[in-house]
Order: sequence, then C-alpha cells, then structure tokens
Amino acid sequence: AQSVTQLDSQVPVFEEAPVELRCNYSSSVSVYLFWYVQYPNQGLQLLLKYLSGSTLVKGINGFEAEFNKSQTSFHLRKPSVHISDTAEYFCALISSGSARQLTFGSGTQLTVLP
Amino acid sequence: SQTIHQWPATLVQPVGSPLSLECTVEGTSNPNLYWYRQAAGRGLQLLFYSVGIGQISSEVPQNLSASRPQDRQFILSSKKLLLSDSGFYLCAWRSGTSGRSIQYFGAGTRLSVL
Repeated sequence: AQSVTQLDSQVPVFEEAPVELRCNYSSSVSVYLFWYVQYPNQGLQLLLKYLSGSTLVKGINGFEAEFNKSQTSFHLRKPSVHISDTAEYFCALISSGSARQLTFGSGTQLTVLP
Repeated sequence: SQTIHQWPATLVQPVGSPLSLECTVEGTSNPNLYWYRQAAGRGLQLLFYSVGIGQISSEVPQNLSASRPQDRQFILSSKKLLLSDSGFYLCAWRSGTSGRSIQYFGAGTRLSVL
C-alpha cells in the first residue's frame, strides 16, 4: 500500500518570507512524486514533478522540491512567497511501474499574509 | 493540445433531485478518466476511474454512479441527491498507465445540495 502524509494542514507565512511545505510518503515500490497547486474554486495545476535524475526539481512560480529517498520526503520550498501564492498544495505519488491512479496527500493550505 | 472541460461550474440542487455532471477531454484518445470530490477540509477523495468505454471502477460506496458512454466523455450521476453529496467535484485525465504520465484536472463543479 502507498500513502502520502502532508504534516501541516495550514501554513500561514508573511509575504517575502521563505516557506517549506512538508510531504512524506510510504511505498514498497519505486515512485514518482508530484506537487499540485489549487487556487480557490479552481482545479489542480501541476507545480512540479520528480521522475528521475537530479533530486532537486524546479517548478513553476519559483517553487522547488527535493526528493530524499532515505527520508522518504519530497518537501516543497520557495525562498520568498507572494500574496498570489495563497492556495492549497497537494503532494501526490504514483508507482513508477504501471499504475492507474495517483495517491494524494490531504493538502496544505498556504496563506500568505501582507 | 489537450483540454478538459467540466460543466456546469456551479450547481444548486434540492435534496432528492437527480444529478448529472459531465466531463469531456479533447485532443487525446483512450484517456484514463477520474472523478474526485473535495468536501470542506477533507482533501481529495477518488470516487471513480475509467480506463476505457464502459469500464468503471468505484473506489467508495456511495450515492453516486459514473458512466463512460464515449471514449472522451465521463459522466457523474445520482438518482437522488443527499445533503452529504455537497462538495467540489473534479474530473481528471491521464494518458495510459505509465507512472510518468501527468494527470490533468478540469476546473471543477461546485455542487450545493440544499
């Protein structure tokens, strides 16, 4: 069985401050990892993905994430957040083999305060 | 390029009324299709997925059903809505079953059952 744990349901942070959204996973097989962002009343957009290669992946809007196999983590970071980054963020994984569906975490609401 | 359409964007229905939400994908063939629900503060719940016409897998027992009458059309239905059916419904698609395949989401339907 696979699972994704997002440790923080809500993260408030001041504008221009750095932020880290935590994601840990559990799987008995190799996985690919994703971060999605959801703005209010919209669908989810892919922020970034880790498939293979460099463990530090860069995504849209200045976000990056680091895959850490030994700690089974895929934390999302941004050095300086903007008001417009306020959204819900979902971490997800899928088996690197044949797989029919993603497994999502429960989401982290990032609120950027002025 | 591929696009995914969901409609309606918002819907207010009385308890006991029927439901039909439609999702269509353009620009691809034989996609895997998914219906998710987001209830307030509860993250993403996978309701149904389909790997082909007429092939529906249900993830949770509930008051809803899904159908795939055409390759790129996925319909979520209910004969009699319950208050607990309120939520944000998202349709998504992926190409094939490779873990590398990205999942794309529609804009969602906000359903309020009163």
